[in-house]
Parts: sequence; structure tokens; C-alpha cells
Amino acid sequence: AQRVTQPEKLLSVFKGAPVELKCNYSYSGSPELFWYVQYSRQRLQLLLRHISRESIKGFTADLNKGETSFHLKKPFAQEEDSAMYYCALSGLGDNYGQNFVFGPGTRLSVLP
Amino acid sequence: NAGVTQTPKFQVLKTGQSMTLQCAQDMNHEYMSWYRQDPGMGLRLIHYSVGAGITDQGEVPNGYNVSRSTTEDFPLRLLSAAPSQTSVYFCASSRGRGFGYTFGSGTRLTVV
Repeated sequence: AQRVTQPEKLLSVFKGAPVELKCNYSYSGSPELFWYVQYSRQRLQLLLRHISRESIKGFTADLNKGETSFHLKKPFAQEEDSAMYYCALSGLGDNYGQNFVFGPGTRLSVLP
Repeated sequence: NAGVTQTPKFQVLKTGQSMTLQCAQDMNHEYMSWYRQDPGMGLRLIHYSVGAGITDQGEVPNGYNVSRSTTEDFPLRLLSAAPSQTSVYFCASSRGRGFGYTFGSGTRLTVV
């Protein structure tokens, strides 16, 4: 069964500092990975999909199959980046609905 | 294009009462899911659907029912509310593998 871990519950950085939110996964096949962001009391928003190799709001993430990781990075944090970040994995089995799994989330706090 | 619409936004129930959380999407997505979000536990899948007429259980289905009579609508029914069902509920829909899920704004439910 697939599993997503985010080792940090809370990450605090100062404005302008680099940010790295860690995400590790366990899955026997080739997964699809996503990052979602949730600002205070709002809906989850899709931030990145690994297959599109996008850069949104300055964030990037690279899939490392050897280390089974999909860490989210930003070179210079902004106060408006403060939010909850979830890593998610979609397995490639037939059951797409059941195979979409979220990590427990990391709360990013960017200090002035 | 409203995306995923959930109603109500807030609800307080007494133990033993039943209610239906509404979810509708206007993107013609085949896949729809219900999640509950609890502090420290991330998002947990309650029920999901891979198309009209097809539903299945997720990780935490007990106490909830769903139906999918149309592509657009995916209501979640609480049969007999319990305090353990106090949570924030999110409905989400997806075009399919690789695209991730689009989330509604959530329903904050309190059972007293």
C-alpha cells in the first residue's frame, strides 16, 4: 500500500530564507506526486504536479525515485507563504479514487 | 465555472441527528471523493466515486453513506451523528490520473 510521510509538523523560517518541505513516499510502482497548499481556513489548492514540472509562486519540486522523495523548495520565503502544505501520491493501479493518498501535512510559518 | 461547491459551510448537529452534506461540481469530472480533515491527522478518505452510479468505501467509511446518481452531485449522508464526527469535511473532484483533485471550500461540522 502507498504511504506518504512528511516528517516535520511545523517549519519556521525567516522571510527571505530558503525553504524545503520534505515529503517521502512508499510505493512499489511509479507514482504521481502532488503538492497542495491550504491557507488558513480555506480550501486545499493544487500547487504542483510532478509530471508537469511547473514552478508556481516560486516553488519547485523534483521527484527523486532513488530516495523516494518529492521535496518542495523555494529559494526565498515570503510571509504570504505561511500555510499548511500537503504532499499527495496517486498510485497507478486501477482504483484511482482509493489510491490518492495525502501526507499528514507540514505547517510553514514565515517570520518577518 | 464554479468548480466544486459544498453546502452548508457550517453546521451544528445534536448527537443522533442525521443530515446530508451537499457537493456539486460543474467540470464534468468522473472522479469525486469525500475527505475529513482532523488536527494532526491530515485528510482521510471517507468514500469515493469513479463515475455516476459507482461508489466505494475509503479509509473511514463508518457512519457515512454516499450516492452518485449524476456526474455532478455527490452527497454525503451522516446517518446518526456522533461527537467523533466533528470535523471539517471536504469534497473533491478530478478529471483523472495525473490531474490531481480540485477541492470544495469545506463544511465545518460540530456534533454536540
